Amino acid sequence: AQKVTQAQTEISVVEKEDVTLDCVYETRDTTYYLFWYKQPPSGELVFLIRRNSFDEQNEISGRYSWNFQKSTSSFNFTITASQVVDSAVYFCALSGTYNNNDMRFGAGTRLTVKP
Amino acid sequence: EAQVTQNPRYLITVTGKKLTVTCSQNMNHEYMSWYRQDPGLGLRQIYYSMNVEVTDKGDVPEGYKVSRKEKRNFPLILESPSPNQTSLYFCASSPLPSGPNTGELFFGEGSRLTVL
Repeated sequence: AQKVTQAQTEISVVEKEDVTLDCVYETRDTTYYLFWYKQPPSGELVFLIRRNSFDEQNEISGRYSWNFQKSTSSFNFTITASQVVDSAVYFCALSGTYNNNDMRFGAGTRLTVKP
Repeated sequence: EAQVTQNPRYLITVTGKKLTVTCSQNMNHEYMSWYRQDPGLGLRQIYYSMNVEVTDKGDVPEGYKVSRKEKRNFPLILESPSPNQTSLYFCASSPLPSGPNTGELFFGEGSRLTVL
């Protein structure tokens, strides 16, 4: 069974600080996909990134970067020079390929960026 | 504009009064799903559907029903709501065969339900 753990329930930083959100996953699948979603205060869920298990290359998109390490089953998300608009709940998710309905979400990390 | 539309967005109701939360997508997606979001628990799947007339239980189906008579619509029915169903509900869709595993889910804006 798939499992995603986001151990950080809440994080608070001051604007311009860097912050890393941790995500640890468990799966028996050899092929799987990892996702990050953002939920701003308005409540909608915004897709940020998808990564498949064969691609361990780190990805950078502007101030966002993701570090995928199969050896530690982690898919961490770093925001560089955080801004108030980054304040949101962030969800990590994992899906396997056994069937088309196997996505599991972590409990989420609430990030507050103070001015 | 490609979107998943849920209604109502906010609802306060009382125990036992049947209600339906509608979900409609305009992307011709085969796969649709309902989740509930509760503090500290993330998103948990209630029901999902692989196509018209094909539905199945997710992790927390008790107290809910769904139907998929048309491809675009996937309503969530609470026959006799109880306070423990107070939650934020999300509908999502995704194309198959690439599916929700390989592509991102398209989420509705959420429906906040309070059962008194």
